[in-house]
Amino acid sequence: DAGVIQSPRHEVTEMGQEVTLRCKPISGHNSLFWYRQTMMRGLELLIYFNNNVPIDDSGMPEDRFSAKMPNASFSTLKIQPSEPRDSAVYFCASSLSSFTSTGNNQPQHFGDGTRLSIL
Amino acid sequence: SQQGEEDPQALSIQEGENATMNCSYKTSINNLQWYRQNSGRGLVHLILIRSNEREKHSGRLRVTLDTSKKSSSLLITASRAADTASYFCATPEKGNDMRFGAGTRLTVKP
Repeated sequence: DAGVIQSPRHEVTEMGQEVTLRCKPISGHNSLFWYRQTMMRGLELLIYFNNNVPIDDSGMPEDRFSAKMPNASFSTLKIQPSEPRDSAVYFCASSLSSFTSTGNNQPQHFGDGTRLSIL
Repeated sequence: SQQGEEDPQALSIQEGENATMNCSYKTSINNLQWYRQNSGRGLVHLILIRSNEREKHSGRLRVTLDTSKKSSSLLITASRAADTASYFCATPEKGNDMRFGAGTRLTVKP
């Protein structure tokens, strides 16, 4: 089975440009997560969706960041306008949510990330 | 804020030795998960231990959970160079997401 697929793997662009990151979750998974990883801050949850609906976007750093999930097999994370401090590795993950009152008990499956460099 | 915090931050051992990594967390959980991340790749799920379990094994991995101390440990026995990676613990939040620690960077020297 195909895992989580992210594109592009690498993106280098100049500040001020719009950046769009793409993710295809594992078929049948109903939860999707966007993370950002940097040396300084580690792995940060930006936003997650459940059944295509954004549930928690409190980790989205600014209004410059937006995420959509138009259907169960596709999600985008957009940065507009981009800034050098947005440089990081962005991961998408999916899971089959099995929600209990104390949280999900299913593992998350990660893509290999998009390494973003804003010059 | 980080829920799980791993200790040590970095660990360097010789091939064949055992590696132990620890994780502490703050709130009640129903499970704790360990992940591995190889350089330039995404995180890979290793093992999940439920709150009513004290120990779990998977191949050369042994995970323990002490809910009274809010801590967990990951033991890799007979380490190999291929085990070189960063290891993260993760705990579920109230919603559907999880919080990951800062990770332990393990280097296994051949």
